[in-house]
Amino acid sequence: KQEVTQIPAALSVPEGENLVLNCSFTDSAIYNLQWFRQDPGKGLTSLLLIQSSQREQTSGRLNASLDKSSGRSTLYIAASQPGDSATYLCAVSYTGGFKTIFGAGTRLFVKA
Amino acid sequence: DAGVIQSPRHEVTEMGQEVTLRCKPISGHNSLFWYRQTMMRGLELLIYFNNNVPIDDSGMPEDRFSAKMPNASFSTLKIQPSEPRDSAVYFCASSVDNLGAFFGQGTRLTVV
Repeated sequence: KQEVTQIPAALSVPEGENLVLNCSFTDSAIYNLQWFRQDPGKGLTSLLLIQSSQREQTSGRLNASLDKSSGRSTLYIAASQPGDSATYLCAVSYTGGFKTIFGAGTRLFVKA
Repeated sequence: DAGVIQSPRHEVTEMGQEVTLRCKPISGHNSLFWYRQTMMRGLELLIYFNNNVPIDDSGMPEDRFSAKMPNASFSTLKIQPSEPRDSAVYFCASSVDNLGAFFGQGTRLTVV
């Protein structure tokens, strides 16, 4: 069964701290992996997309890595800010079907 | 581009009534996805279309749910008859050949 797990479920950190969010998936035959941000009552905003042939992607203070062999991805947020407070979701898409499975998300709170 | 557009943003209906949710994907995108999000189950893929053709509807919970995509710029998700347990936020997303999904703002459905 294809599953996506995110750890931790919730995280509270002081402003300025570097942090890592984790995502693991059971089926390594992925097509791509995407990290999203969701603010309360809002839709999902795409942050980074990593194709199966890539190992990492960077955008500003965000860096996402992918290790297919171990079934893991991490989202690194540098110098966190209160505006980073949101739920971060990992989504894994599989080849041949466009089937995308989401993790339950990590709820992040950055304290000023 | 205005992004993925969903309507209505909020819908409150009585149990037993028919509900129709609408989605306009991003122009040029050839894949469209319908998701449901609840606190208990997170984000669930209901159905997806590729080039207007339903590819996988295994996530549709019951026969009360149906989805159509009559053309490349419009899709509907219909629930008939609606039940209180259908209350959730329904998201539509679109992509080009599964190269990363873009989400609409969602429709918050409440069935009383």
